[in-house]
Amino acid sequence: DADVTQTPRNRITKTGKRIMLECSQTKGHDRMYWYRQDPGLGLQLIYYSFDVKDINKGEISDGYSVSRQAQAKFSLSLESAIPNQTALYFCAISRTGKSGELFFGEGSRLTVL
Amino acid sequence: SQQGEEDPQALSIQEGENATMNCSYKTSINNLQWYRQNSGRGLVHLILIRSNEREKHSGRLRVTLDTSKKSSSLLITASRAADTASYFCAIMNSGYSTLTFGKGTMLLVSP
Repeated sequence: DADVTQTPRNRITKTGKRIMLECSQTKGHDRMYWYRQDPGLGLQLIYYSFDVKDINKGEISDGYSVSRQAQAKFSLSLESAIPNQTALYFCAISRTGKSGELFFGEGSRLTVL
Repeated sequence: SQQGEEDPQALSIQEGENATMNCSYKTSINNLQWYRQNSGRGLVHLILIRSNEREKHSGRLRVTLDTSKKSSSLLITASRAADTASYFCAIMNSGYSTLTFGKGTMLLVSP
C-alpha cells in the first residue's frame, strides 16, 4: 500500500457542486498538507495541519476548507466548485523535526465544468 | 512569498550528458530541497541541503548551495532517458514551517 493515498484520483464535476478530496497516510507522520498544482505555476500551499487540532491557511486558501479527522486523515473540501479550481491536487505529509521533507500522494485531478 | 525560481524552465540533452538546474531565492533559509516529478505523478524527494552546507552528493546527484548569492544548483551526471521529469526546488524558511516550491525545470533526456 502507498504511504499517502488520495481519493478520488480523478473527478469531473460541475460549477457550484461541493467536492471533497480525501487523504490518508500510513507512515504515522504528524504533519499533513494540501497543495495545488497548475501548469507552469508550480505547487501552491492551500492548507496545512501540524497536529489533529491544528489547521493553518496557506497561500491560496480562499474557496477551500479542510478537516483533520484523525492523525492519519486530512480532507480538502471545495464548498462550491468553480472552473478556475480545475487543477491537480496533492496531499503531502512530513514529520516534525525531520527538516520538512515531504512525502506526496499520487494526486487528485479535479475538473470543474 | 519565499518562492524559489528555477532556471532554465526547460532543458533538453542527450543521454550521457550532464544536466544542471539552478534555483534562486530571496530571503534566509533553513534548508533547500530538490524534488522530482514524473508527468502528472506525485513529487519525490531527491536531496536536502542545509543552510550551513555547501555541497551534497547522492548517487548521480550533486547539489550546491551558495547562501551569499541565494542560489542552489542541482547537477545530474551521466543522464539517462529515465531522468526525464520535472525538477523542483523547495525552500524551507528560517521559521521552519512550510516548504515553498518553485515552478520547476522540465528535463528531457533523449536516447
